[in-house]
Amino acid sequence: SAVISQKPSRDICQRGTSLTIQCQVDSQVTMMFWYRQQPGQSLTLIATANQGSEATYESGFVIDKFPISRPNLTFSTLTVSNMSPEDSSIYLCSVVAGGNTEAFFGQGTRLTVV
Amino acid sequence: GENVEQHPSTLSVQEGDSAVIKCTYSDSASNYFPWYKQELGKRPQLIIDIRSNVGEKKDQRIAVTLNKTAKHFSLHITETQPEDSAVYFCAASPTGGGNKLTFGTGTQLKVEL
Repeated sequence: SAVISQKPSRDICQRGTSLTIQCQVDSQVTMMFWYRQQPGQSLTLIATANQGSEATYESGFVIDKFPISRPNLTFSTLTVSNMSPEDSSIYLCSVVAGGNTEAFFGQGTRLTVV
Repeated sequence: GENVEQHPSTLSVQEGDSAVIKCTYSDSASNYFPWYKQELGKRPQLIIDIRSNVGEKKDQRIAVTLNKTAKHFSLHITETQPEDSAVYFCAASPTGGGNKLTFGTGTQLKVEL
């Protein structure tokens, strides 16, 4: 199984600022995804992080608000830009090692915007 | 896109009883259906999954059934224990795993002594 390190684990940020979340995997993975989990809710996919190219965003999420990088097969970042209290949520990195295997999740980043 | 509905939203059972959680999906192209358990403050963890070429899969006290014609799948937990208390999420993927997941709304399972 893949070991995922996600940083920071939590943060409290001022509205209007940006936060970058890092996801580091201990082995090369095929797919990397970013999900959002609002308090007491389910997981919603934000985007697929593509190595060396622009991420693929789901409906309702845009690059200007959630820029994503994936420079190699083991690392990705998600930035939450120009934050508002509505962005308070848990953000989770997810990876899949191969084309037909399970998805693993990072421990999540609990973001509070004040 | 895919839409996954999950019921019930909360489920309370007595220790030793069985628990059943049901999900329906909308996209006939979906063929991978995992179930995740999420304890409070922790990451989701896969407990069992099933692919469309199989109707049932069992792993000790946990089983999943799939009805592709009706587009629904269910999680069965037998002989429940207090440590089974958690939120359970079903999900669906349009490929045989390894692709993006659409999650159900979650079921808060409480196993009472």
